[in-house]
Amino acid sequence: GNSVTQMEGPVTLSEEAFLTINCTYTATGYPSLFWYVQYPGEGLQLLLKATKADDKGSNKGFEATYRKETTSFHLEKGSVQVSDSAVYFCALITFAGGTSYGKLTFGQGTILTVHP
Amino acid sequence: DTGVSQDPRHKITKRGQNVTFRCDPISEHNRLYWYRQTLGQGPEFLTYFQNEAQLEKSRLLSDRFSAERPKGSFSTLEIQRTEQGDSAMYLCASSFMASRGSTLEQYFGPGTRLTVT
Repeated sequence: GNSVTQMEGPVTLSEEAFLTINCTYTATGYPSLFWYVQYPGEGLQLLLKATKADDKGSNKGFEATYRKETTSFHLEKGSVQVSDSAVYFCALITFAGGTSYGKLTFGQGTILTVHP
Repeated sequence: DTGVSQDPRHKITKRGQNVTFRCDPISEHNRLYWYRQTLGQGPEFLTYFQNEAQLEKSRLLSDRFSAERPKGSFSTLEIQRTEQGDSAMYLCASSFMASRGSTLEQYFGPGTRLTVT
């Protein structure tokens, strides 16, 4: 089956620090990979995506590269801001055919807190 | 379009009672998903619809749970005889499925937080 493993949190950083949140996956079929973000009191928002090996997804200064050889999709940002404080979820979809088409499998989430 | 909406946002109920949640997807989206999220965990898939057809149900969806999407627009999720273990955030998402191989970006609503006392 499919599974996603994220680095243990919470992660606490000072403003302008470099951020890495690790994500690895196992999947049947060829997955598309996503990072979702959940700000306090809000719903999940798609942050970025990548659909094939070596693709780099990017948005709002965040980046993640689809590494098929290491089955990883680590999230990075060069300089975090207080407003980046949120919970980050790595997720995947596989197109394995039949009825397993279309559901997201999520990691457990990583809480990020950025201090001024 | 205002995005995916869910109602109610919060529900407190006593064990044994029935509850029903509603989800209104983005209007042009033909797929609708239900997920459940417990504290400190990522969302877990429950079921999904394409138009009015329910295409998959997770084994997490016991026979006390039923979901419908009668006209292919809004959906309801009903939990009968609620238990304390049902306490969670219930998330709805929608997407547009154009053809096989498309990336299925799912757009989430704010969720309904259920507390069973």
